[in-house]
Order: sequence, then structure tokens, then C-alpha cells
Amino acid sequence: AQSVTQPDIHITVSEGASLELRCNYSYGATPYLFWYVQSPGQGLQLLLKYFSGDTLVQGIKGFEAEFKRSQSSFNLRKPSVHWSDAAEYFCAVGAGTGANNLFFGTGTRLTVIP
Amino acid sequence: KAGVTQTPRYLIKTRGQQVTLSCSPISGHRSVSWYQQTPGQGLQFLFEYFSETQRNKGNFPGRFSGRQFSNSRSEMNVSTLELGDSALYLCASNFPGQGRDEQFFGPGTRLTVL
Repeated sequence: AQSVTQPDIHITVSEGASLELRCNYSYGATPYLFWYVQSPGQGLQLLLKYFSGDTLVQGIKGFEAEFKRSQSSFNLRKPSVHWSDAAEYFCAVGAGTGANNLFFGTGTRLTVIP
Repeated sequence: KAGVTQTPRYLIKTRGQQVTLSCSPISGHRSVSWYQQTPGQGLQFLFEYFSETQRNKGNFPGRFSGRQFSNSRSEMNVSTLELGDSALYLCASNFPGQGRDEQFFGPGTRLTVL
């Protein structure tokens, strides 16, 4: 069965510092992996996704993520955090071809200090 | 292009009542998925509808049901509400929905059960 683990519940970084949010997944085949961001009172917005090809994927707002099959990880990174990046970040794995349901991690809340 | 809309945005009900939430997908999208978001359980998949048929279902009791209309709009219904049903209910749409495709989320309906 699919599952996603985000070990960090809350992370605080200073504006301008680099960021890495961790995500580990469990899935039998090649996974479809996603990172979504949720701002207070908002729905989820897709930052980036991976399903095949280059293991380093670029997303919106300067985010990137690297798929490492050997570690079952899909960590999200950003070289320089902006105050507007403060939000909750969710890693998710897709159920597979023909199925649209996503399995989400518990989320990581990011606080940005000026 | 207008995004996914959900109505109402906020709802307060009492235990034992039933509730119906509505979701209008992005124009042209035929798949609508519903998720429940709570602080304790995180984001959990409820069900997905595609072309008026339920295509996938999560692990929720039968009190949770849904349907989709010919214009792809979807409703979900919760009968005999319990306190634990208090949550943010998110719907997401895409087309055609092959697991690796981005889902576009609405802002959610915040349901409070008293």
C-alpha cells in the first residue's frame, strides 16, 4: 500500500536561507510524486511533480525536488526562502495509472523569520 | 479560466443532521475527487467521480456519498453527522486523470459539527 512520511512537522528558517523539506514514500512500482503547498484558508497548489525521466525536477516559485529511488525519497528544496513561502507543504504519491487518488503526507509547516 | 469552486465555503451543522457540499470543476475537466482534511488524520481521499461514475473510493463509512452530474459538477453528502466529521472538505478536478496528472484544488468547504 502507498504511504508518505514527512518527518518534520514544523520548520523555521530565516528569509534568504536555504530550505529542504523531507519526504519518504512507500510504493511498489515507480511512483507518481507530487509536492503541493497550502496557504491559510486556501486549497492546495501544485509546486512540482515527478513520474519519470530526469530525477531532478523544477517547479514553480523557485522550488525543485530530487527523486532518489534508492532512498525512497522526494525531498523539496529551495536555495533562498522568501517570506511569502510561509505555508504548509504536502508531499503526495499517486495511486497509479487510471486512478486519481493521492496519498498525502501529514505536511510540514514552514515559518519564515524576517 | 475559472478555477475549481466550492460552495458553501463555511457550514455549521449539529450532530445527526445531513449536509450536501457542492463542487464545480474547471471547465472541461471530467474528473472530480474529494478529500477530507483534519488536524488529526491529515488529507484523506474520499472518492473520485469520472463521467458521472464513481471510479475510486477511499476508506470512509457509507455515510459519505457523492455523485456527479452530466456537466461534471459534483456533490458530496454526509448523513447522520458526527463531531468527527468536522473538517475542511476539498475537491479537486482534472482531465482526464491518469494518476500522474496534476489535480486542481478548490478552496474547500469548512464544515463544523456541533
